[in-house]
Amino acid sequence: GEDVEQSLFLSVREGDSSVINCTYTDSSSTYLYWYKQEPGAGLQLLTYIFSNMDMKQDQRLTVLLNKKDKHLSLRIADTQTGDSAIYFCAEPRGNMLTFGGGTRLMVKP
Amino acid sequence: DTGVSQDPRHKITKRGQNVTFRCDPISEHNRLYWYRQTLGQGPEFLTYFQNEAQLEKSRLLSDRFSAERPKGSFSTLEIQRTEQGDSAMYLCASSSEISVDEQYFGPGTRLTVT
Repeated sequence: GEDVEQSLFLSVREGDSSVINCTYTDSSSTYLYWYKQEPGAGLQLLTYIFSNMDMKQDQRLTVLLNKKDKHLSLRIADTQTGDSAIYFCAEPRGNMLTFGGGTRLMVKP
Repeated sequence: DTGVSQDPRHKITKRGQNVTFRCDPISEHNRLYWYRQTLGQGPEFLTYFQNEAQLEKSRLLSDRFSAERPKGSFSTLEIQRTEQGDSAMYLCASSSEISVDEQYFGPGTRLTVT
């Protein structure tokens, strides 16, 4: 398909790990991005991964990339209530970014 | 803080009125993008500028929409004869020529058309 796809919702308990999944479309994408959006706010660039990497770790965030399956995931270790937000994966298409529909992460205390 | 800024943050207007939004990108970024985000969806591309040149427009950008970036710095997005379907969050982003896909977003302008 032509859509970047994400599951709609994820609920975890504080201190657990969260894994947010994304399926993208273009195997030639050079970079893939994760953005975070808190209520009523714009998008914050969280992290990205270059397409020749399988994994990238940045503090509590780990990005995994499976190019064969065009599957991208974002793992948040020790999830905190402040991590509650909508997470978007995005891939470049031409001169624009194409976003998934977003995954709403709810963190329960 | 020298991030992307947008003004106003919220706009309520009556159907049929014209509205204009402003975006100030990160100062050293020469690319500027406009996206639209409706409730429960990811942002959708509208248009982008490289310096003052508008190089691409989405089919979402009807002829009631016009965007400018006259001096290659700030940009404006005008919507004429607003319709209720124009209600959305309008997001601006900027990027440098070196990392064109690494786009940094502003806080958005939420438009409500009544």
